[in-house]
Amino acid sequence: DGGITQSPKYLFRKEGQNVTLSCEQNLNHDAMYWYRQDPGQGLRLIYYSQIVNDFQKGDIAEGYSVSREKKESFPLTVTSAQKNPTAFYLCASRGRLNYGYTFGSGTRLTVV
Amino acid sequence: GQQLNQSPQSMFIQEGEDVSMNCTSSSIFNTWLWYKQEPGEGPVLLIALYKAGELTSNGRLTAQFGITRKDSFLNISASIPSDVGIYFCAGQRNNNDMRFGAGTRLTVKP
Repeated sequence: DGGITQSPKYLFRKEGQNVTLSCEQNLNHDAMYWYRQDPGQGLRLIYYSQIVNDFQKGDIAEGYSVSREKKESFPLTVTSAQKNPTAFYLCASRGRLNYGYTFGSGTRLTVV
Repeated sequence: GQQLNQSPQSMFIQEGEDVSMNCTSSSIFNTWLWYKQEPGEGPVLLIALYKAGELTSNGRLTAQFGITRKDSFLNISASIPSDVGIYFCAGQRNNNDMRFGAGTRLTVKP
């Protein structure tokens, strides 16, 4: 079955360390997205990529970086510059003809 | 970024009751979508609306795209315990510009 896989499900890191969250899709979707979710707030866009080797900043890109070397993969790095990294991170993808996004099951990052 | 105002923030209802929630914005959107999120999971698309005035149903769910293109509502009829979750509205201007409401947390008491 096609879908989006995010790993790991839970991640704990010490303050000051960079950490990379994985997102892989086998839906043959061109566009991929990273969102951050905090309690009581809507999803906020971090970065998106419409095509391999290209990506754009979203509303809250500071302290994050991404790469898109393969169509299937869009990893997100949370750097030490991100002031408040503890959150639930969601990856999504969109096919060429689709309006709605397909979401992964998320990674909960806790920085201690 | 552009915020969507979603209400209510939470609802506690009895099984069998109907539910209504809505989303408003100061900006126009070309598409409105409704998602449901269960604990520890990603949102799942429930209904997508593409045209102002459109009324669409998916089982016990009915959603409408407001005539002004600045609002949408979602109704759930005859709620059941598995309806529990957080419901998000989303407005989309283009393929890469989707804005989400803060969500409505629904609790259904058996």
